[in-house]
Amino acid sequence: SQKIEQNSEALNIQEGKTATLTCNYTNYSPAYLQWYRQDPGRGPVFLLLIRENEKEKRKERLKVTFDTTLKQSLFHITASQPADSATYLCALADSWGKLQFGAGTQVVVTP
Amino acid sequence: DTGVSQDPRHKITKRGQNVTFRCDPISEHNRLYWYRQTLGQGPEFLTYFQNEAQLEKSRLLSDRFSAERPKGSFSTLEIQRTEQGDSAMYLCASSWGPRDRYSGNTIYFGEGSWLTVV
Repeated sequence: SQKIEQNSEALNIQEGKTATLTCNYTNYSPAYLQWYRQDPGRGPVFLLLIRENEKEKRKERLKVTFDTTLKQSLFHITASQPADSATYLCALADSWGKLQFGAGTQVVVTP
Repeated sequence: DTGVSQDPRHKITKRGQNVTFRCDPISEHNRLYWYRQTLGQGPEFLTYFQNEAQLEKSRLLSDRFSAERPKGSFSTLEIQRTEQGDSAMYLCASSWGPRDRYSGNTIYFGEGSWLTVV
């Protein structure tokens, strides 16, 4: 069966450092991989999308890599700020846009 | 553009009652999705619509669940004879895309409707 795994433990990081989150998947060949941010009690907010033929994508302080051979994506937040504290969800999209999510990784950035 | 709107935001109901959630997608978005999320888990796909046509339903969607999208605009998700296991946040999302495939357009989520069954 298809499985998406993200770090289950919260990532505690000091302000200004780079946070790196991992998303591993099995039994899946996604056309797209997406990262979302979710704050407590709120809906997910889209951050970045990377296609299967792309290796890396950047947006401001965010960077995503996608290795379809390793079946892994890395999500980096550089120069992290306390406002970056949230849960980050990895999601794989099929050709119809149906998303399958990981359980998410909580990031806590301390001043 | 007001984003995806969901109503009600919170609903407490007694076991066995019926509940209905409404989702208003971003205007002109032809795709609409419903997901369910429980604490500590990522959202799980329930069903989706291309315009008014319901194209796929998850096995999670038992016979007690029904979703509609009349005229391809707003959508409703009804749960009949609620059970405690139905307690979750129900998320609606929408996007625009070609009829025959997803092209990577941004999928926008609403703030969710929290259901508590007591």
